[in-house]
Amino acid sequence: GAVVSQHPSWVICKSGTSVKIECRSLDFQATTMFWYRQFPKQSLMLMATSNEGSKATYEQGVEKDKFLINHASLTLSTLTVTSAHPEDSSFYICSASSQGAEAFFGQGTRLTVV
Amino acid sequence: AQSVAQPEDQVNVAEGNPLTVKCTYSVSGNPYLFWYVQYPNRGLQFLLKYITGDNLVKGSYGFEAEFNKSQTSFHLKKPSALVSDSALYFCAVRANTGGFKTIFGAGTRLFVKA
Repeated sequence: GAVVSQHPSWVICKSGTSVKIECRSLDFQATTMFWYRQFPKQSLMLMATSNEGSKATYEQGVEKDKFLINHASLTLSTLTVTSAHPEDSSFYICSASSQGAEAFFGQGTRLTVV
Repeated sequence: AQSVAQPEDQVNVAEGNPLTVKCTYSVSGNPYLFWYVQYPNRGLQFLLKYITGDNLVKGSYGFEAEFNKSQTSFHLKKPSALVSDSALYFCAVRANTGGFKTIFGAGTRLFVKA
């Protein structure tokens, strides 16, 4: 299957700072990328859907000013957690899809805000 | 709206015995159905998918799943469980229209006892 790479795998940041997470499709062009959040021992909750070159569509209850998503190219999407707080600590996972085909998942990023 | 239900939080099975992890879904139109496995602090690993064709789908690591349209189910099965199969399993459904969002079930934790 296709490869999706997330970077970093884990990050620790101080409260009040911003953190950027990258999601790259390594061997295909991802017209759509999805960002998920997973709390401990819980399922993946879809945060937003981003299409290349357009604004992301956020799920209900997700603060778009808090979680900035950029999908500037067909191989890269970024999620920036702005002014992070301890409650933003979570496991963030991206997935990428090409023209509505099967989505492939990154390995996830563990964010810890201290 | 699409949804996925995994009615069991946990499934316990003895090594060598068959296992079943249940999943039911709701989606408009024809569903794309997936099973993923997650190990601690790791991303998702794809097991198998159903898009069209035979109702019995064979996937990785000896797993298979049966699509039942009348019961809107997609149960995951394996004839003989291994201790190493112990992990968190997610069923997911994707509509093939309207953004192609993949929605996940709550997850079922599988414990295989030696």
